[in-house]
Amino acid sequence: DTAVSQTPKYLVTQMGNDKSIKCEQNLGHDTMYWYKQDSKKFLKIMFSYNNKELIINETVPNRFSPKSPDKAHLNLHINSLELGDSAVYFCASSRDRVTEAFFGQGTRLTVV
Amino acid sequence: KNEVEQSPQNLTAQEGEFITINCSYSVGISALHWLQQHPGGGIVSLFMLSSGKKKHGRLIATINIQEKHSSLHITASHPRDSAVYICAANAGGTSYGKLTFGQGTILTVHP
Repeated sequence: DTAVSQTPKYLVTQMGNDKSIKCEQNLGHDTMYWYKQDSKKFLKIMFSYNNKELIINETVPNRFSPKSPDKAHLNLHINSLELGDSAVYFCASSRDRVTEAFFGQGTRLTVV
Repeated sequence: KNEVEQSPQNLTAQEGEFITINCSYSVGISALHWLQQHPGGGIVSLFMLSSGKKKHGRLIATINIQEKHSSLHITASHPRDSAVYICAANAGGTSYGKLTFGQGTILTVHP
């Protein structure tokens, strides 16, 4: 039973499209995150939510909008996709902001 | 210069060797994480520590808060240890919860 699950695992789409990546955790955690891993494998935080409230928004273009309908879900919507958005996006969760994080398997987004 | 620096960036070892990966950080932290990313892409948390030393099987993580330095050691390395190892600083203060990542260390263990 997967603790943090993301869908889809792979996403190929054309420039200009709007797409969503879904994330769900069944760990009962309060805090969820989105991270971006670029082509050089460098990870960077995008967003952090705690109890459905946005805590961290790291200078991400406003084409990216996270949405947390409940504590167990944090979805990522991306509008007007650009080539530079191609990356692997990881969702993660933790019990709170100072405890161990559990990662989803990642979503490889390719914009063509 | 990154706020979190790892060394070496690439490490090749023979099976059985003792391995050390280093991580230095310049930010204030509430905790330091060590993560493992396998070739398949998934990320697994290995350790989270804010002081001293932790051990899990053949893996040992240490941290020196005064020197802002952490090390990950692997004893009796095995080819299945081949992966990217990433340290991440969990920010303290008003940004706590924010993870700042090192650039990763690519470890290859040959049989």
